[in-house]
Amino acid sequence: ETGVTQTPRHLVMGMTNKKSLKCEQHLGHNAMYWYKQSAKKPLELMFVYNFKEQTENNSVPSRFSPECPNSSHLFLHLHTLQPEDSALYLCASSPLVGQGFYEQYFGPGTRLTVT
Amino acid sequence: AQSVAQPEDQVNVAEGNPLTVKCTYSVSGNPYLFWYVQYPNRGLQFLLKYITGDNLVKGSYGFEAEFNKSQTSFHLKKPSALVSDSALYFCAVRVPSGSARQLTFGSGTQLTVLP
Repeated sequence: ETGVTQTPRHLVMGMTNKKSLKCEQHLGHNAMYWYKQSAKKPLELMFVYNFKEQTENNSVPSRFSPECPNSSHLFLHLHTLQPEDSALYLCASSPLVGQGFYEQYFGPGTRLTVT
Repeated sequence: AQSVAQPEDQVNVAEGNPLTVKCTYSVSGNPYLFWYVQYPNRGLQFLLKYITGDNLVKGSYGFEAEFNKSQTSFHLKKPSALVSDSALYFCAVRVPSGSARQLTFGSGTQLTVLP
């Protein structure tokens, strides 16, 4: 295990539902990330948090709303999603954002299906 | 802008044979290069990285990669493949300075090791 946990592992939701994904890291890192992984496509970085502050938002639609209450926890709040949002959502952490030589540690992901 | 190309979607190799998974990159400046592996229903796991120094980098599970600046490549290699090496492999690149703090991933190469 990498020290990054994600819940739930699987989620099926309708387009009118509201749900949240949770990520927790036990590595003492200060940076956390949300990625979207769709079939046959490169990983898409969605959000970056450094010391609880959002430092990157890669033009993600507002139906995705991140929250980082502390350096160990990261949430992704979902509402009025579209079927094309179905994907594997990966959380990752690293010691710091600014130090590019650090590798990132990934959680197992949440498989999201929007019906 | 930085980019990564993994020219092969699928690589098949017989168990015991050497394997190579190809990666080329495009960045302005000196790159940091990474390889990650993803097993089914799991998140990405860090394998190895090149930051500076020796062009041949050794990583987990007997994998190694060679940084070739003139060819802008960072191919992943292993002298003798195992069936358990079958997984999805991702190459990633970032630059250590400027605003491009993101880790850019390739689209992945599915490695299948045949018994």
